[in-house]
Amino acid sequence: ETGVTQSPTHLIKTRGQQVTLRCSSQSGHNTVSWYQQALGQGPQFIFQYYREEENGRGNFPPRFSGLQFPNYSSELNVNALELDDSALYLCASSFITNTGELFFGEGSRLTVL
Amino acid sequence: AQRVTQPEKLLSVFKGAPVELKCNYSYSGSPELFWYVQYSRQRLQLLLRHISRESIKGFTADLNKGETSFHLKKPFAQEEDSAMYYCALQTGANNLFFGTGTRLTVIP
Repeated sequence: ETGVTQSPTHLIKTRGQQVTLRCSSQSGHNTVSWYQQALGQGPQFIFQYYREEENGRGNFPPRFSGLQFPNYSSELNVNALELDDSALYLCASSFITNTGELFFGEGSRLTVL
Repeated sequence: AQRVTQPEKLLSVFKGAPVELKCNYSYSGSPELFWYVQYSRQRLQLLLRHISRESIKGFTADLNKGETSFHLKKPFAQEEDSAMYYCALQTGANNLFFGTGTRLTVIP
């Protein structure tokens, strides 16, 4: 069984740039969620994708967008980066069944200068 | 609006002592609550969910709707329990709202 993998593990961008983060879901999972974890905070829900469509969104602006592909892998795109976007971005996969159990990746740490 | 409060950022206990990590929530719907744990150099993972009413690694958590609490307890702490613990509230299909976490250190 392959776990959730994310890439890149670390990256540095400057304000105003755009970034794409990638995630491969755990084998057999059909739902992917993205979370932002700022330093000293708990993960904050960005959005969830199921069947390649957004299936719930947290309190994040439209410049945060995503994609889910037929193989259930996913991307998180952030446009017009701001300094406050510096955080650990976590991807989590699951079944759509309402169990609340998420399987997390190790995250991509984004630093915006 | 939902809220999950973990009042202690840091908690230290001696090995063999009881441990309680506090979690209070605010939610207008019917709450589904979870504890997630992150051990050193490992990824975030589910520890237990209230609906299962199970004990995992000696930990239990009871949902108290009157006090809107979901405290995590273990009667005898072990060194391997040292980790970051997050309380989480389910607000949609597998959408979780996390607290800020408590770092538990078990002193040998």
